[in-house]
Amino acid sequence: GQNIDQPTEMTATEGAIVQINCTYQTSGFNGLFWYQQHAGEAPTFLSYNVLDGLEEKGRFSSFLSRSKGYSYLLLKELQMKDSASYLCAASGYSTLTFGKGTMLLVSP
Amino acid sequence: SQTIHQWPATLVQPVGSPLSLECTVEGTSNPNLYWYRQAAGRGLQLLFYSVGIGQISSEVPQNLSASRPQDRQFILSSKKLLLSDSGFYLCAGGGSSGISYEQYFGPGTRLTVT
Repeated sequence: GQNIDQPTEMTATEGAIVQINCTYQTSGFNGLFWYQQHAGEAPTFLSYNVLDGLEEKGRFSSFLSRSKGYSYLLLKELQMKDSASYLCAASGYSTLTFGKGTMLLVSP
Repeated sequence: SQTIHQWPATLVQPVGSPLSLECTVEGTSNPNLYWYRQAAGRGLQLLFYSVGIGQISSEVPQNLSASRPQDRQFILSSKKLLLSDSGFYLCAGGGSSGISYEQYFGPGTRLTVT
């Protein structure tokens, strides 16, 4: 089975940096995904880590440590539009197992 | 990249009525297809996935069924809806021939069972 843990809620200020952590316990792990989901909308793909280390994509970066079963999503220069739920998902052979998501609220 | 189409966007159905939600995929062949449900304030629950025509894997036993009559068509059905079937239903596509890659989601159907 798979177990994904991430904080339920986080708050941050516009322009700041925030790190959303995710720990996972899985069998047949292939990689770690991060998705963004705005209220009432479908999730959109942000990043994918299959090897240990940091993947940078604009204001967003994602890190993976396979040995520790740990990942984080780093959001820089926060904007109001970044207020959303961020979903961590562990990939098995054919499926993804999603965490419950971290609701990020960005305030002015 | 692939595009996932879903309809309708919202649906209100009485308890005991049937359900049919359709999902179609553009831009790829032999995709893995997935049905998820997201209850209010909760995470994504994988309901069914398919790695090819006629091949359905059920993750959670419940009042729903799925079918894949064509390569790019995935249908979620119920013969008799329950109140607990209310939620946000999402179709996703990703990977091919069973191997998982990033998944792309359709716009979703918000189902309210009354």
